[in-house]
Amino acid sequence: AQSVTQPDIHITVSEGASLELRCNYSYGATPYLFWYVQSPGQGLQLLLKYFSGDTLVQGIKGFEAEFKRSQSSFNLRKPSVHWSDAAEYFCAVVGTYKYIFGTGTRLKVLA
Amino acid sequence: DVKVTQSSRYLVKRTGEKVFLECVQDMDHENMFWYRQDPGLGLRLIYFSYDVKMKEKGDIPEGYSVSREKKERFSLILESASTNQTSMYLCASSSPGREANNEQFFGPGTRLTVL
Repeated sequence: AQSVTQPDIHITVSEGASLELRCNYSYGATPYLFWYVQSPGQGLQLLLKYFSGDTLVQGIKGFEAEFKRSQSSFNLRKPSVHWSDAAEYFCAVVGTYKYIFGTGTRLKVLA
Repeated sequence: DVKVTQSSRYLVKRTGEKVFLECVQDMDHENMFWYRQDPGLGLRLIYFSYDVKMKEKGDIPEGYSVSREKKERFSLILESASTNQTSMYLCASSSPGREANNEQFFGPGTRLTVL
């Protein structure tokens, strides 16, 4: 069955530290993968997406993600976190005509 | 700037009431979606629509119905609200085509409380 797993429910990092949010997927074919961010009280905003080609994808707000087929992973990274990055992050894979979302990772940033 | 708007940010209703959640997009998108978001469960698809007057069930359609009379508007209806429908409801739209790899644009959400 198609699924997405975000193993970390909460992550806390200090401002300026690096960040990696984990995402593992289960999908038979080549997946289409997305990362979305949801700031408090807001809807979801697309950070980046992977369809094919270069496995390292650059997104908005200084985020990047790397697709690793051998590990069925699409982890999100940022070299230096800003206080404004505090939000909830969702990984998604495209299933048959619809998105399948992970359960989200809530990021807290310490000043 | 693309926009998906939802009629209410917060809504409080009583058990048994009929509830309408409205969503409007200004991007001429053919595809529209309704999700509910609950802590620890992520986003779950309730219903979606690829065209006017067309609807398809998502993963959790029980207790809900939808209406798409105009391209820009997609309504979610709770025929008889129950407390287990207390949740955040998110509407989304995406560009034409049945391919789900199109980016979805989300509204700000409606937080519904059923007492």
